[in-house]
Amino acid sequence: DAGVIQSPRHEVTEMGQEVTLRCKPISGHNSLFWYRQTMMRGLELLIYFNNNVPIDDSGMPEDRFSAKMPNASFSTLKIQPSEPRDSAVYFCASSLQGAGYGYTFGSGTRLTVV
Amino acid sequence: QKEVEQNSGPLSVPEGAIASLNCTYSDRGSQSFFWYRQYSGKSPELIMFIYSNGDKEDGRFTAQLNKASQYVSLLIRDSQPSDSATYLCAVIIQGAQKLVFGQGTRLTINP
Repeated sequence: DAGVIQSPRHEVTEMGQEVTLRCKPISGHNSLFWYRQTMMRGLELLIYFNNNVPIDDSGMPEDRFSAKMPNASFSTLKIQPSEPRDSAVYFCASSLQGAGYGYTFGSGTRLTVV
Repeated sequence: QKEVEQNSGPLSVPEGAIASLNCTYSDRGSQSFFWYRQYSGKSPELIMFIYSNGDKEDGRFTAQLNKASQYVSLLIRDSQPSDSATYLCAVIIQGAQKLVFGQGTRLTINP
């Protein structure tokens, strides 16, 4: 089992540019979660999907953020335009069904917006 | 009031001693509670989960839950330097299928 795979591991971009983060969940898992982690705010849930359908996007900070899950094995988180305050580590996590047994995190993408 | 609260630490414990990490939560309807460990620069990894009042043991780790007091704790016996990490408490809020995390407690085990 390859685990949850995220790419890229690191991303440095200039303010105003579009950033796309990618995630491949564990095969067979039908719930996918995007979190953001900063020193100030800790781990914050941005959005989660069940069976490829967005269930709760209340954590998405603003319209600059969007997420898609076109199929069971792929999801993207896009920021357009990016701002320095978006700098954080973005984690993707997946689980078999909801959060009842916890979930498995990917290695994360460290985003720096300059 | 935050949904999940932890003392940010740092908590310093001598090697071989018991480390005690604490967490409180605000939603009385919460049913499921989790402890994650996060090494610096790494992703969180699940250590234990607990659903029922009382203690749950797994090796050197014991999770304790007291729903009446809205309190969950993690004990690490025979602490090792490799246990030095940030420990995150997480709760499933009633009616939702998502984990809400505390800020984490940074634990250092001193040789």
